[in-house]
Amino acid sequence: EAGVVQSPRYKIIEKKQPVAFWCNPISGHNTLYWYLQNLGQGPELLIRYENEEAVDDSQLPKDRFSAERLKGVDSTLKIQPAELGDSAVYLCASSLESGCSYNEQFFGPGTRLTVL
Amino acid sequence: DAKTTQPNSMESNEEEPVHLPCNHPTISGTDYIHWYRQLPSQGPEYVIHGLTSNVNNRMASLAIAEDRKSSTLILHRATLRDAAVYYCILRGGGSNYKLTFGKGTLLTVNP
Repeated sequence: EAGVVQSPRYKIIEKKQPVAFWCNPISGHNTLYWYLQNLGQGPELLIRYENEEAVDDSQLPKDRFSAERLKGVDSTLKIQPAELGDSAVYLCASSLESGCSYNEQFFGPGTRLTVL
Repeated sequence: DAKTTQPNSMESNEEEPVHLPCNHPTISGTDYIHWYRQLPSQGPEYVIHGLTSNVNNRMASLAIAEDRKSSTLILHRATLRDAAVYYCILRGGGSNYKLTFGKGTLLTVNP
């Protein structure tokens, strides 16, 4: 069974440019998460989707970040415009449902963003 | 979110057991104890979880103190592939089911 797929794996852009990350969750997983991981830190949740609905986007900087999950499957996270401080790894994860405190989350390999 | 504290780093030798500690003094009765690990250049992966009783699976064992204020992840025979950052996370009931990662413990395995 395929795991969580993310692309691209690496992205280098100049500041003020837009960038987008794509995630395909494990088939059948209705919950999708985007995390941000800075160097030396643990991942931090940006947004959580239940099917196509964003049920927790309290940590998403909405002035420059946006996300969508059309049809409740694939998801795209966008930054426009990117800033130097956005350099980090962006991780996507999925699970069967989030309303269960022992449900395992499956993570993709992440996209490493470098903003110059 | 209830907090956990872990050592920043630990070192082990290959084929020896490893005990990774985690303190969670303010754990609530509905909090599950989860462990994830993150290998270099990969996303985190689930290792094990428990509520009150000790748990075993193919990857590791989880020993939970009787008062639940601490737990220990046990790798019975460390391999080089076990070198990773290990995260101890409390995941509770109510409206908060998200994983809140700390900095974790960086485990180095020596050949």
